[in-house]
Amino acid sequence: KQEVTQIPAALSVPEGENLVLNCSFTDSAIYNLQWFRQDPGKGLTSLLLIQSSQREQTSGRLNASLDKSSGRSTLYIAASQPGDSATYLCAVETGGGNKLTFGTGTQLKVEL
Amino acid sequence: ETGVTQSPTHLIKTRGQQVTLRCSSQSGHNTVSWYQQALGQGPQFIFQYYREEENGRGNFPPRFSGLQFPNYSSELNVNALELDDSALYLCASSLRGLYGYTFGSGTRLTVV
Repeated sequence: KQEVTQIPAALSVPEGENLVLNCSFTDSAIYNLQWFRQDPGKGLTSLLLIQSSQREQTSGRLNASLDKSSGRSTLYIAASQPGDSATYLCAVETGGGNKLTFGTGTQLKVEL
Repeated sequence: ETGVTQSPTHLIKTRGQQVTLRCSSQSGHNTVSWYQQALGQGPQFIFQYYREEENGRGNFPPRFSGLQFPNYSSELNVNALELDDSALYLCASSLRGLYGYTFGSGTRLTVV
């Protein structure tokens, strides 16, 4: 059974800091890994998708890496802004490519 | 290109009642998945529909059922509602394993 863990559970940083969110998964036989952002009480916004054959993806100030063999992914956020405050969720696609298994998220607060 | 739309946005039901939630998939997507997200938790996979048939199911009882229509829209039905069914229900569409998942804004269900 695939299990996904995200560390830390919560993070508070001053504006402008670079930060790293961590995601680990127990079964390395994944199809892809997707990072999402969730604002309070809202749906999920896709940030980055990394296919299993890829090592990293970048979008603007965001960079996500994937190491399948060690079961780890990191989301790097450069020059954090208050608007980045949200919960960040990591999800891996397994089970024949028909389901996502999510971590419990990292709640990020970026302070002025 | 329209995204994933869900209705209603909020719903209050009494224990024992039945509820139907609706989802319109993103244009071009042929697969719809449903997830339940309890407060402070990551989303949990309920089931997925592809070509109007169930294509994978999570650990949810049979009183959770669904449909997919020829236009790829979908319904989630829950019978005999329990207090623990109170959660955010998220619909996601995809193109059968390609390009990741696009989520809707969710339906907040409260069972009293």
